[in-house]
Amino acid sequence: EAGVAQSPRYKIIEKRQSVAFWCNPISGHATLYWYQQILGQGPKLLIQFQNNGVVDDSQLPKDRFSAERLKGVDSTLKIQPAKLEDSAVYLCASSPEWYGNTIYFGEGSWLTVV
Amino acid sequence: GESVGLHLPTLSVQEGDNSIINCAYSNSASDYFIWYKQESGKGPQFIIDIRSNMDKRQGQRVTVLLNKTVKHLSLQIAATQPGDSAVYFCVESGGSNYKLTFGKGTLLTVNP
Repeated sequence: EAGVAQSPRYKIIEKRQSVAFWCNPISGHATLYWYQQILGQGPKLLIQFQNNGVVDDSQLPKDRFSAERLKGVDSTLKIQPAKLEDSAVYLCASSPEWYGNTIYFGEGSWLTVV
Repeated sequence: GESVGLHLPTLSVQEGDNSIINCAYSNSASDYFIWYKQESGKGPQFIIDIRSNMDKRQGQRVTVLLNKTVKHLSLQIAATQPGDSAVYFCVESGGSNYKLTFGKGTLLTVNP
C-alpha cells in the first residue's frame, strides 16, 4: 500500500515570499491533516479535513496560511507571505476516519525561510 | 491548557537492554493513546496504540502500559537495537474534538 506522498521535500525561500506544499493521502482515507513541526518540538495540528470539509483549523494562522482539499483527495497548504518563524517541517497525515484511528504521516516538507 | 508531557527528554541505553519511555498526560477525557517513533529526517511512524479500556497491550518487542489512575503511559522496548534510536512521541486523543496532542518527545539513543 502506498503511503502519504508529499512534495516538495525541501524548499528554501526568502521572507515575504510564498510557498505551496502538496499532499496525496493514502487511498481511501477520508481524513487528512496538516501538521507543523518546529525543530525540537512535537508536531502541532494546523488543519484537519474530513473529505473536503474542514473539521478543525483553530491553530491555522489564517492571515498567512491557507489550505484546501477541493475534491476530497489531495490537498495543498500555502503560506503567503512567509515569515522566518515559519521555518519548520510540514507534515501531512491521513486516517480512515476522524476518531480513534491511527494516522499515517508522510515524510514531510522541510521549509527554510531566510 | 491540556498537554502531554514526558518525564525524560533523553534516554541512552546499551544495545540488547530493555528501554522504558514514560509519559504523563493531563486530559482525563483522553481515551486513545498512541506511541509514534520519528527517525531523523522522516515523518512519525506508528508503533502501538492503546484504548482507555485496556491497561496493557503488546506488540512485537514493544509493550504499552496505561495507568489511568495517575494518568501515566509507558512504552517498553525489549532487546533494544540500534535501529530503535529515534525520538518517541506519546500522543493522546479524545475529549470533545478527538484531536491528537503530541508532547515534545523523548530521544532514545542506543549504544552498540
